[in-house]
Amino acid sequence: GESVGLHLPTLSVQEGDNSIINCAYSNSASDYFIWYKQESGKGPQFIIDIRSNMDKRQGQRVTVLLNKTVKHLSLQIAATQPGDSAVYFCAENHGGATNKLIFGTGTLLAVQP
Amino acid sequence: EAGVAQSPRYKIIEKRQSVAFWCNPISGHATLYWYQQILGQGPKLLIQFQNNGVVDDSQLPKDRFSAERLKGVDSTLKIQPAKLEDSAVYLCASSPAAVSLRGYTFGSGTRLTVV
Repeated sequence: GESVGLHLPTLSVQEGDNSIINCAYSNSASDYFIWYKQESGKGPQFIIDIRSNMDKRQGQRVTVLLNKTVKHLSLQIAATQPGDSAVYFCAENHGGATNKLIFGTGTLLAVQP
Repeated sequence: EAGVAQSPRYKIIEKRQSVAFWCNPISGHATLYWYQQILGQGPKLLIQFQNNGVVDDSQLPKDRFSAERLKGVDSTLKIQPAKLEDSAVYLCASSPAAVSLRGYTFGSGTRLTVV
């Protein structure tokens, strides 16, 4: 079946350190991936996306890496700040007629001051 | 740009009662989605509309859940009758077009508690 999972449910880092959040996906037909940040009481907020024809994409303080060989996705946050504390989800899309996003369970990132 | 608006923010009902949620997408967004997010899990798509037509409702429990988007703008999601396992956050999202995932924006959700 379809699934997108995360290796670590909780990640605790020191302020200023780099964070790496991992995600495994199972559907090799997925061609588009998104990382979302969700703060308490809010909806998921877009962070960065990547298409399957790429293996790396950088944004402001964030980098997404895609390894299609092992169906693995990671989100790297540089110089993690207290405001980065939230639950992070990866989501995949298979393309086709719908824009259905399949979400993983999520990783809670806790930034210690 | 105004975001996706949802109401109410919170709702507590007893099992077997009915409840309705409302969503107003970003202006001009043709595609609207309803997701269910159970505590500790990622959101799960319930239904997707393209304008006022249904694109995907394969995950919608149709014996108790219904949704409509009559004029292709606002949408309502209804549960009748509610069960305890329906306790979740119901998220509405919208995107400019069915073939574009860029601009896919979520609202803050309605937190439903069924007691």
